[in-house]
Amino acid sequence: SQQGEEDPQALSIQEGENATMNCSYKTSINNLQWYRQNSGRGLVHLILIRSNEREKHSGRLRVTLDTSKKSSSLLITASRAADTASYFCATDWKTSGSRLTFGEGTQLTVNP
Amino acid sequence: DVKVTQSSRYLVKRTGEKVFLECVQDMDHENMFWYRQDPGLGLRLIYFSYDVKMKEKGDIPEGYSVSREKKERFSLILESASTNQTSMYLCASSLFGSRYFDEAFFGQGTRLTVV
Repeated sequence: SQQGEEDPQALSIQEGENATMNCSYKTSINNLQWYRQNSGRGLVHLILIRSNEREKHSGRLRVTLDTSKKSSSLLITASRAADTASYFCATDWKTSGSRLTFGEGTQLTVNP
Repeated sequence: DVKVTQSSRYLVKRTGEKVFLECVQDMDHENMFWYRQDPGLGLRLIYFSYDVKMKEKGDIPEGYSVSREKKERFSLILESASTNQTSMYLCASSLFGSRYFDEAFFGQGTRLTVV
């Protein structure tokens, strides 16, 4: 199926460091979104970037999109222990407007 | 505040039972989704609905059906529960009934165990 694939699967850093997570996808998209999930809970939307945008910022989050490489990255700057969670990218395909599909996620651990 | 509410946080059912998972949203969203989440597999789309009484199969519809009689409610039905349907089930909704999806709002999830 059309899924984003996050890389790395797991990331462990110290508080204050930056965390970078990557997402690759297979075919053309309308937009790409990033979500966060705390353990055992539902997902929370972080940021959406449309296919005609290259970079977007929201607070300590910076998302880039490279449609030629079919990839996106999520940068969290000055990480905090509270940022510990799983992060997922989700793509809305251009070939079918009816699916919002997710990758397997990156588990981020920020150590105090 | 935007809200998607799933009827149960935890559910234990027996093999062969018919199971109903309910999801209600209060945002007047056209689109509603059911996903299941398993370790190492991420979120997989079971079914999707873009309007009342409309539904579309996702990637893993086998063993499931859905019902959307009212805009705010989207039900997932396990016709005859099996142990391999033990999972976390997540409901979501989003605006835009036509071609593009905007931000999706998720419920808190239902952890279903089939014994």
